[in-house]
Formats: sequence, structure tokens, C-alpha cells
Amino acid sequence: EDQVTQSPEALRLQEGESSSLNCSYTVSGLRGLFWYRQDPGKGPEFLFTLYSAGEEKEKERLKATLTKKESFLHITAPKPEDSATYLCAVQVNAGKSTFGDGTTLTVKP
Amino acid sequence: NAGVTQTPKFRILKIGQSMTLQCTQDMNHNYMYWYRQDPGMGLKLIYYSVGAGITDKGEVPNGYNVSRSTTEDFPLRLELAAPSQTSVYFCASSAGAGSSPLHFGNGTRLTVT
Repeated sequence: EDQVTQSPEALRLQEGESSSLNCSYTVSGLRGLFWYRQDPGKGPEFLFTLYSAGEEKEKERLKATLTKKESFLHITAPKPEDSATYLCAVQVNAGKSTFGDGTTLTVKP
Repeated sequence: NAGVTQTPKFRILKIGQSMTLQCTQDMNHNYMYWYRQDPGMGLKLIYYSVGAGITDKGEVPNGYNVSRSTTEDFPLRLELAAPSQTSVYFCASSAGAGSSPLHFGNGTRLTVT
């Protein structure tokens, strides 16, 4: 059975304090690993897709990396507007995605 | 483009009532999905469709039904609502199975009392 585990559940940072979120996965036949951002009362919004170990993607203060067992979302010098829940998902077939429970990030000014 | 549109935004049902959650997308995506999200949890797949006329069960299909008569619409039917179905329901679409990201609506918050 496909499994996705995210840690920590919650992360509180001061503005400018860099950190990383972890997503570990157990799947057979990974077709893609996705990161989404979810704001309160909204649907998840797509951030990145990673396909193979060693791949990296960047967008503003966020950088996602992938190994054979886990992915990291690195946040450099975060701002309060980066506060959100970050979801990791793996896709194996038929476009079906299995999601982790998310990491809720709070960035204090 | 509106993307994925869900209605209603909120609904309160009594135990045993039925309702249909509406979902429509204007991106001409073949793949559509229904997920539920309980507080503090990730998304669980209820049903999905790979094209008009084709639907299949996801991880948590019991108590729900779907149909897909057009590419644009993918309604979710709740029969005999139960308190365990209190949740936030998200509809999503994607361009295909080849590692395409999901595009989500803003959800329907359902309470069953």
C-alpha cells in the first residue's frame, strides 16, 4: 500500500529563519511527487512536480528536492505570507494521488 | 478561466438526508476526482473518473455515488447522510495520467447532524 508521511505536523518560524519540511514515501512505481500549498478555506494549489531522484525545483523562497525515499521542501528566509499548510502527494497510476497529512507552517513577523 | 467550480460552499444536512455536490471544470480535463479532507488530515480519494462515462472507486467510496455524463461535470451524490460524512469535500481535475498536477476547487464544507 502506498504511504506518504509528512513531518513535522506543525512548524513555527520567525521571519527570515530558514527550515525544511520532510515528506517520506513508500510506493511502487512512482510517476511523480507533488507539493501543494493550501491556505485556510481554500483548495490546494500546485507548487512543484518532481519525477526522479536528484531532481530539484525552485520557486521564489521555496526549493523542493527528491531522493528515492523522501522529498524536502526547503524554505529560505520565509515571510509571513508563506504561512500555509504544505501537502505532499505521490502519483502512481491513473492519475490517482496519495496525500500526506500536511505540515502547517506559521511564520511570525 | 474559472478553473474548477464547486457548489454549494456550505451545507448542513440532517442524518438520513441526501444531497448532490456539484463540480464543473472549464479546462477540458479528462481526469476528475473527489477527495474528502477531515480536520488536520490529508486528502482521501472517494471516486475518480478518467473520462465521460467512466468512473471508479477510490480509497473511501462507501456512502457515495458519482456519475460523469460530460467532460465538464462530475457530481458527487451522498445518500442517507451520516455524521461520519461531516467533512470538507474537494473536487479536482487533471490533464492526464502522465504525472499531471491536480487543479482543485475551493471545497464544500458539509456538516451532518
